[in-house]
Amino acid sequence: NAGVTQTPKFQVLKTGQSMTLQCAQDMNHEYMSWYRQDPGMGLRLIHYSVGAGITDQGEVPNGYNVSRSTTEDFPLRLLSAAPSQTSVYFCASARRDRGFQETQYFGPGTRLLVL
Amino acid sequence: KNQVEQSPQSLIILEGKNCTLQCNYTVSPFSNLRWYKQDTGRGPVSLTIMTFSENTKSNGRYTATLDADTKQSSLHITASQLSDSASYICVVSARKRGSNYQLIWGAGTKLIIKP
Repeated sequence: NAGVTQTPKFQVLKTGQSMTLQCAQDMNHEYMSWYRQDPGMGLRLIHYSVGAGITDQGEVPNGYNVSRSTTEDFPLRLLSAAPSQTSVYFCASARRDRGFQETQYFGPGTRLLVL
Repeated sequence: KNQVEQSPQSLIILEGKNCTLQCNYTVSPFSNLRWYKQDTGRGPVSLTIMTFSENTKSNGRYTATLDADTKQSSLHITASQLSDSASYICVVSARKRGSNYQLIWGAGTKLIIKP
């Protein structure tokens, strides 16, 4: 099993550009989520999904969109990149049995720099 | 407001020595507490999880303790190795209405092991 994979590993954008961060998991997990990690702060939840076709907002959803058309994939779209979105983005997945009680498995992260 | 605070922010110790990392939380209603290890450039990996009724949980050279009365947890690392150099993150789960949970992430303690 590859676990949770993310692409790209690094990305540089100009302000106003849009892009999609890809996330895929091969563990048949129902729960998937996106976090951002900034220096000196804990991980912050952007969006999450409890299954295909179902998504919801987390703590910091503004400027980001998600969709979940399959169990495996959970892409994160930046609509119009801003310097404040410079961060490291992590995708995670978990079994649904007990919701977020289950251990989350994280991808390797995508480092995004917005100029 | 639900919060998780970790101390120290960073710690440098010599290889072979023991160390203890602290986590204080103000989270209600408490569901469980996890410790994650995050190597540089990688996603977090779960080390231990403890519920309200558990005082101690071990994972190899890692031992986590939980005092639900004082709302404190510690992570003790025994006989440190160079591979223990990483950030250690405390995460507390707060129960929300229904079967939903909210994860509150600490900012982490950066541990450096020197030979």
